Amino acid sequence: KAGVTQTPRYLIKTRGQQVTLSCSPISGHRSVSWYQQTPGQGLQFLFEYFSETQRNKGNFPGRFSGRQFSNSRSEMNVSTLELGDSALYLCASSPRFGNYEQYFGPGTRLTVT
Amino acid sequence: KQEVTQIPAALSVPEGENLVLNCSFTDSAIYNLQWFRQDPGKGLTSLLLIQSSQREQTSGRLNASLDKSSGRSTLYIAASQPGDSATYLCAVTGANSKLTFGKGITLSVRP
Repeated sequence: KAGVTQTPRYLIKTRGQQVTLSCSPISGHRSVSWYQQTPGQGLQFLFEYFSETQRNKGNFPGRFSGRQFSNSRSEMNVSTLELGDSALYLCASSPRFGNYEQYFGPGTRLTVT
Repeated sequence: KQEVTQIPAALSVPEGENLVLNCSFTDSAIYNLQWFRQDPGKGLTSLLLIQSSQREQTSGRLNASLDKSSGRSTLYIAASQPGDSATYLCAVTGANSKLTFGKGITLSVRP
């Protein structure tokens, strides 16, 4: 069974631009969560999607948004990029919404210059 | 607000040593606790998941314990090897189904 895949793996953007990251969950998994990892703050929860609906949201500004498609694939979008958005963005999938083991992808390394 | 603490931030041990990594959390109302491994620049690999009703889980040389009432978990690594060098993170799932992570312990196993 293929694991969680994320594309692209690396991205360089300029301040003020927007970016879209993609995540394909493990086959059969319907819940997708997104996390931001930085050296200073560690891993922080962004949001979780299940059945195309956002079920949970972390404490991030509205510039961070996401969506989930009917095939459970998910995208997250960051608009008006700031230098502080440079981070490793990790996606995790689990079979259902709730308290299930989460399986992480390799991440997308975003650098904002 | 749930807070997860892992101390120390870094640890260096000689190969072959048995070691214990600690994790503490402030809110005991958790559903489960997961230990992850992260290699530099990579994603997270799930090592062990302990449900709140369980006391411990074992996988190979790894054993994780959970004491929910005291807000503590430990990850025991037996006979450490250089390949165990990585950052180990613990995370708890609370009532809101969100994972809250510690900052991790960077382990270096010297040959």
